[in-house]
Amino acid sequence: DAGITQSPRHKVTETGTPVTLRCHQTENHRYMYWYRQDPGHGLRLIHYSYGVKDTDKGEVSDGYSVSRSKTEDFLLTLESATSSQTSVYFCAISESTSGEEHTGELFFGEGSRLTVL
Amino acid sequence: GQNIDQPTEMTATEGAIVQINCTYQTSGFNGLFWYQQHAGEAPTFLSYNVLDGLEEKGRFSSFLSRSKGYSYLLLKELQMKDSASYLCAVMDSNYQLIWGAGTKLIIKP
Repeated sequence: DAGITQSPRHKVTETGTPVTLRCHQTENHRYMYWYRQDPGHGLRLIHYSYGVKDTDKGEVSDGYSVSRSKTEDFLLTLESATSSQTSVYFCAISESTSGEEHTGELFFGEGSRLTVL
Repeated sequence: GQNIDQPTEMTATEGAIVQINCTYQTSGFNGLFWYQQHAGEAPTFLSYNVLDGLEEKGRFSSFLSRSKGYSYLLLKELQMKDSASYLCAVMDSNYQLIWGAGTKLIIKP
């Protein structure tokens, strides 16, 4: 199994408070992703990173920011949490995008369940 | 827009065969993935298709037709542990993954 851990695994917070989720990998993979998963929706990409200090927005980036100061860590921050951000957040890593030599498969962390009251 | 369609839920019997379909409309195509996700757990990679045809891996097979924008995942000799959600995802021309909402597969004894 790919070495990828998320913390915290569960968090309950109040509207308006800041929240940071951490993703840590020991695989030295270049790409890291933050997704949210909600009932009735596919996984939706929040932000991703293709290297240290290189990040880009996904389809649902509003209200979220990220930072990647080291290869192994990718942080997701909710500056002011809202109830609509109640979700399960998954971090994922991949060695590359798909191509002749790699499938580009993702390895997922165990997920962080966030409840915003 | 980009879209992935798969059935919301399917039911099958232990020992039987089930086929989970996935149709897609995306901006470009760089491969199609199937992932398995047990309740409360993370998705795990099952298969990858980039060329037309059938890829077999043990009890699981995945088929792709790029001209039809269609794939299926075939599960044989179903076991109770196969009860899970199955996620279809397509990598578009920008190498971004577009995900379906998943098919919940219920296996009955």
